[in-house]
Amino acid sequence: AQSVTQLGSHVSVSEGALVLLRCNYSSSVPPYLFWYVQYPNQGLQLLLKYTTGATLVKGINGFEAEFKKSETSFHLTKPSAHMSDAAEYFCAVSRTGGFKTIFGAGTRLFVKA
Amino acid sequence: GAVVSQHPSRVICKSGTSVKIECRSLDFQATTMFWYRQFPKQSLMLMATSNEGSKATYEQGVEKDKFLINHASLTLSTLTVTSAHPEDSSFYICSASLGGAGNTEAFFGQGTRLTVV
Repeated sequence: AQSVTQLGSHVSVSEGALVLLRCNYSSSVPPYLFWYVQYPNQGLQLLLKYTTGATLVKGINGFEAEFKKSETSFHLTKPSAHMSDAAEYFCAVSRTGGFKTIFGAGTRLFVKA
Repeated sequence: GAVVSQHPSRVICKSGTSVKIECRSLDFQATTMFWYRQFPKQSLMLMATSNEGSKATYEQGVEKDKFLINHASLTLSTLTVTSAHPEDSSFYICSASLGGAGNTEAFFGQGTRLTVV
C-alpha cells in the first residue's frame, strides 16, 4: 500500500522568503512522486515529478524537490516566495502512470507581503 | 499534449435528479481513468478506477449504484451521480493515463463543481 503524509496543513512565509513544504511517503515499491498546486476552484497543475534517475527534480515556477529514499521524503522548496505562490499544494505518490495516484492531505501556503 | 477535458465545469441540479460528468482525453488514448472527489478544503479522495471496456473498480466506501462509471472508449469516461442529494455536492476530478509501467503520470482534468440543491 502507498500513502503520503504532508506535515503542516498551513504554512505561512513572507514574500521573498524560502518556501519549504514537507512530504513523507510510504511505499512497498519504488515510488513515483509528484507535487501539484491547486488554486481556488481550479483543477490540479503538476509542479514536478520524480520517477527515476536524478533525485533533485526541478519544476515549474522555480520549485524543486529532492527525493531522499533513506528519509522517505520528497520535500518541496522554492528559494524566494512570490505572492502568486499562495495556493494549496498536494504531494502525491503512485507506482506507475497507469496506477492510481494517492494524495496527501494538502498544505495551504500563505505568502505575506 | 496529454490534455484531459472535463465537462461540465460547473453544474447545479435538483435533489433527486441524476447528473453526468464527462472526462475526455483529447490527444491520447487512455486505457485507465480515475475519478476523485474533493470536499471543501480537503484532499482528493480516489473514488474509482476505470479501464476501457471493463467494469470500474471502486474504492472502499464508495457506492457503486450511486456513482455509475462508464469507460466505453479509450478517450471517454463518464461519471453519473444518480439520485443526487445535497451531500453529493463536491468537486469531482478525473485523470487519465496511457497505462503501462512505462508511463510516469496520469493527467488531470480541470474538475467539475457539482452543487445539489
